[in-house]
Amino acid sequence: GQQLNQSPQSMFIQEGEDVSMNCTSSSIFNTWLWYKQDPGEGPVLLIALYKAGELTSNGRLTAQFGTTRKDSFLNISASIPSDVGIYFCAGQWTGNQFYFGTGTSLTVIP
Amino acid sequence: DAGVIQSPRHEVTEMGQEVTLRCKLISGHNSLFWYRQTMMRGLELLIYFNNNVPIDDSGMPEDRFSAKMPNASFSTLKIQPSEPRDSAVYFCASSFARPNQPQHFGDGTRLSIL
Repeated sequence: GQQLNQSPQSMFIQEGEDVSMNCTSSSIFNTWLWYKQDPGEGPVLLIALYKAGELTSNGRLTAQFGTTRKDSFLNISASIPSDVGIYFCAGQWTGNQFYFGTGTSLTVIP
Repeated sequence: DAGVIQSPRHEVTEMGQEVTLRCKLISGHNSLFWYRQTMMRGLELLIYFNNNVPIDDSGMPEDRFSAKMPNASFSTLKIQPSEPRDSAVYFCASSFARPNQPQHFGDGTRLSIL
């Protein structure tokens, strides 16, 4: 199956700092998704990317579809305590099945 | 609009018992995905359906697991007999059965097998 590696695995940052995380694949994808999971809840869709090079924002979040189509990046600016959670990337090549990354756990220290 | 609805939210039962997890899709969606999440293995796809038809069940651990879609808006995941290693959070997600359609997740069922 497809292998998706997310890095870093975990991050501890001060409130107000910017955050960067990425996801790399062994294969090319046509669609990248980014999700956030809060404790005790299911993953919630943050951003969807559909074209190589695409840059999309959602509030303080910005995600990019890498030009090689094998990677994607998520940035969070001016982090706040409610940004705490696990962030997952997901990629799709064909059909409607997505392959999920291993997650980046974010802790924001007030 | 209601999102994906899963029940129960929590289940604690003794090994050997039958467990049934339930999922209601978002209205209009016609793809249904069952996932299992653990600390060790992360988010694993168990099985998915398009238009009530199972497309890929290669992630189902063994014959003790079975999934059905008795109608277009509802699915069950059954474990019989359950074992302690089945303890995990089980999620279902739904989407439109077209390429590039994002999946929307329920809040999961936290299953503990004693």
